[in-house]
Amino acid sequence: GQQLNQSPQSMFIQEGEDVSMNCTSSSIFNTWLWYKQDPGEGPVLLIALYKAGELTSNGRLTAQFGITRKDSFLNISASIPSDVGIYFCAGQKTSYDKVIFGPGTSLSVIP
Amino acid sequence: DVKVTQSSRYLVKRTGEKVFLECVQDMDHENMFWYRQDPGLGLRLIYFSYDVKMKEKGDIPEGYSVSREKKERFSLILESASTNQTSMYLCASRPLNSYNEQFFGPGTRLTVL
Repeated sequence: GQQLNQSPQSMFIQEGEDVSMNCTSSSIFNTWLWYKQDPGEGPVLLIALYKAGELTSNGRLTAQFGITRKDSFLNISASIPSDVGIYFCAGQKTSYDKVIFGPGTSLSVIP
Repeated sequence: DVKVTQSSRYLVKRTGEKVFLECVQDMDHENMFWYRQDPGLGLRLIYFSYDVKMKEKGDIPEGYSVSREKKERFSLILESASTNQTSMYLCASRPLNSYNEQFFGPGTRLTVL
């Protein structure tokens, strides 16, 4: 079946550092989504991207829809302890298709 | 605020037991989903439902069944639990006219001994 790859698998960073993570696919998607899962909770949508090349921000978070439609990127600026969690990318081909989730990037922030 | 609740946060069962995981949403969403989350594998779709009494298989339906008798409630059933079904189970809901954002419950961590 379709698969998404996320890198890195895990990250340990100092508070205040910027973070970059990406998601790649062998298939083209028309929608890219980024979710965050806090420890002990369900995932929550951070950013949705609908157009190739689109750059969207949500506070300190910025995500981009890759031009090839096969990848997406998430950046977090000036990380803080509450950024800890698992970040999932997800892709969807059309509005009638299932959402495919990546394996996640685990982020740890050292105060 | 959208609220998706799951009946248990932690559950321990024995091999062969029948297990019910309940999910309730309070926002009148038409679509509901069951996923299992395993380290390194992300979220994998087990079953989903577009409406009451409707169900569709996801990517890994084997060993599971579901029930949706009421719009707000979507139950996941393990007919005969096995150790390889030890996992985190996440329920989600989504309104009919929103094709992307799913609202997740807090999850049920199931351990099968």
